[in-house]
Amino acid sequence: QVQLVQSGAEVKKPGASVKVSCKASGYTFSDFYIYWVRQAPGQGLEWMGKINPNGGSTNYAQKFQGRVTMSRDTSTSTVYVEVSSLRSEDTAVYYCARGRTERWLQSHDAFDIWGQGTMVTVSS
Amino acid sequence: EIVLTQSPGTLSLSPGERATLSCRASQSVSSSYLAWYQQKPGQPPRLLIYGASSRATGIPDRFSGSGSGTDFTLTISRLEPEDFAVYYCQQYGSSYVFGQGTELEIK
Repeated sequence: QVQLVQSGAEVKKPGASVKVSCKASGYTFSDFYIYWVRQAPGQGLEWMGKINPNGGSTNYAQKFQGRVTMSRDTSTSTVYVEVSSLRSEDTAVYYCARGRTERWLQSHDAFDIWGQGTMVTVSS
Repeated sequence: EIVLTQSPGTLSLSPGERATLSCRASQSVSSSYLAWYQQKPGQPPRLLIYGASSRATGIPDRFSGSGSGTDFTLTISRLEPEDFAVYYCQQYGSSYVFGQGTELEIK
């Protein structure tokens, strides 16, 4: 079945970096955009950016420009998000999600498959 | 950037009742690129509606979406116990923005 499986929880100190992975299975990896969304404890959803697994081009939310890097490894059908210069406000659950339709049909799309989430805690 | 405002913040209803959730955009949402998600505690969001009114795969027909331009509505015709959750709207026509959410709680 189509699924996205994310890496486990992380605890980091302020100023450090964290890299979260999201492994796709059950579909052709390069055919669908992958998005990253985060959710601080008790808060709403915040879009961070998207990556095209075919070629690796990225589009980041302005808030995260310069501090977030998304990448992919086509050999393992895995995408990554790395957040640098962590601060306490980055404490959140980080989700990857797949676009609903093939990327050549729609460049903007709703998110139909989600990973289980990865809790990142930033604390000294 | 488009801002989405959801109302009410909390909606208290009983199973069997009808729920109406609102999502208002600060600017017109292009091509009705408006989605609704349901989220339960400890779970990722689940896509319910895309394109303002199309149900996602496997979503029961008691969920329906409507609206265009700046005003959108999610309606749950007869609430089931499993429908009590937080609901988010999202626009995906111009970047990607979520509303702040509506909590649907059991009365």
